[in-house]
Amino acid sequence: EVQLVESGGGLVQPGGSLKLSCAASGFSFSDSAIHWVRQASGKGLEWVGRIRSKAKNFATDYAASVKGRFTIARDESKSTAYLQMNSLKSADTAVYYCAYNWTHWGQGTLVTVSS
Amino acid sequence: DIVMTQSPDSLAVSLGERATINCKSSQSVLYSSNNKNYLTWYQQKTGQPPKLLIYWASTRESGVPDRFSGSGSGTDFTLTISSLQAEDVAVYYCLQYYDTPYTFGQGTKLEIK
Repeated sequence: EVQLVESGGGLVQPGGSLKLSCAASGFSFSDSAIHWVRQASGKGLEWVGRIRSKAKNFATDYAASVKGRFTIARDESKSTAYLQMNSLKSADTAVYYCAYNWTHWGQGTLVTVSS
Repeated sequence: DIVMTQSPDSLAVSLGERATINCKSSQSVLYSSNNKNYLTWYQQKTGQPPKLLIYWASTRESGVPDRFSGSGSGTDFTLTISSLQAEDVAVYYCLQYYDTPYTFGQGTKLEIK
């Protein structure tokens, strides 16, 4: 069974940093791209970024709204992807999901940026 | 960036009736080398992550009831629920994964009339 479990969310002050994790199981993690998507309360879905597989040189792409502040990485030995978020703004407050192959999604983790 | 525009924003349909949601992309999401449309449809219920319904614009995901169908190609796509059930109340999103930045439609809220 495919499982994606996000963790690491919480309350952080504006300008602060937070690192989210996405632990994967039940599929070939090393062959798969992992996406991060966020959703502010009552709003729609926004793609944050993606990291491709080793075969694709772990290439990353980001939405313009987070480029230069957010970094996606992965640890093949742990089947885990990460979203490092720096210089956080109130507009980054959202539930953050990771997704595999656009077919399976985690339950999400809430990030709140507030003083 | 490819802009995805859904219509309508909200929709109220009687139980057992047909529901139709449209999604238009600002440029084609049809990849000519494999003749596939890089377009998916999701259903999201309150407090839950999105659930995949349709991929490649018209292929139903395993386990999804056959009352859900997708159609269209290029820039114009449709999600149809042939006979609305109470459990279909949700927000529906289209997603293009043809090119980064990947983009979602704004969502269509489906309710029971």
